[in-house]
Amino acid sequence: GNSVTQMEGPVTLSEEAFLTINCTYTATGYPSLFWYVQYPGEGLQLLLKATKADDKGSNKGFEATYRKETTSFHLEKGSVQVSDSAVYFCAPTFGNEKLTFGTGTRLTIIP
Amino acid sequence: DVKVTQSSRYLVKRTGEKVFLECVQDMDHENMFWYRQDPGLGLRLIYFSYDVKMKEKGDIPEGYSVSREKKERFSLILESASTNQTSMYLCASSRGTTSYSNQPQHFGDGTRLSIL
Repeated sequence: GNSVTQMEGPVTLSEEAFLTINCTYTATGYPSLFWYVQYPGEGLQLLLKATKADDKGSNKGFEATYRKETTSFHLEKGSVQVSDSAVYFCAPTFGNEKLTFGTGTRLTIIP
Repeated sequence: DVKVTQSSRYLVKRTGEKVFLECVQDMDHENMFWYRQDPGLGLRLIYFSYDVKMKEKGDIPEGYSVSREKKERFSLILESASTNQTSMYLCASSRGTTSYSNQPQHFGDGTRLSIL
């Protein structure tokens, strides 16, 4: 069946470090792929998306590339800031089925 | 910007009470969703609706019901609250198409519900 596996946290990095949060999925078709971010005390916000193979989504310095061959959509940022501290969710959608969220990765950036 | 408003940020109720959580969106979205969020479990879908008076069960519908009498409003009902329903509840909406994939969901700020 369809599923998503997301890198477990928590992840703690120093400011200006490079960030990778891994996300892989299994699917019978070709899902659309989303990353959401949840800042403390708030709901989820769409961070970026990609809808077909080799698409790159980007926003606020974050990037993720739709890799069909490895069924992955890893989130990256070259230089993180304290304000990036949040919980990040990978969320594929599988055609007509429900949107599926990963378990979330809590990121803490230390000054 | 899309605005999804949940009626309460914090709510405390007692075991056995009937609890109503309200959600309103202002972008004329067809689809609306209710999730609960628990540590280590991520978001789990309770119910969703793709049209007025339509509803479908999500992954964990037991103990819950929903109501969608108007397009902009989607209510979650805990018929008889229990302590294991203590959680963060998130409402979301999205534009409808023939398939609701490819459309991002827009979330409210959540209701933290405690059942004593």
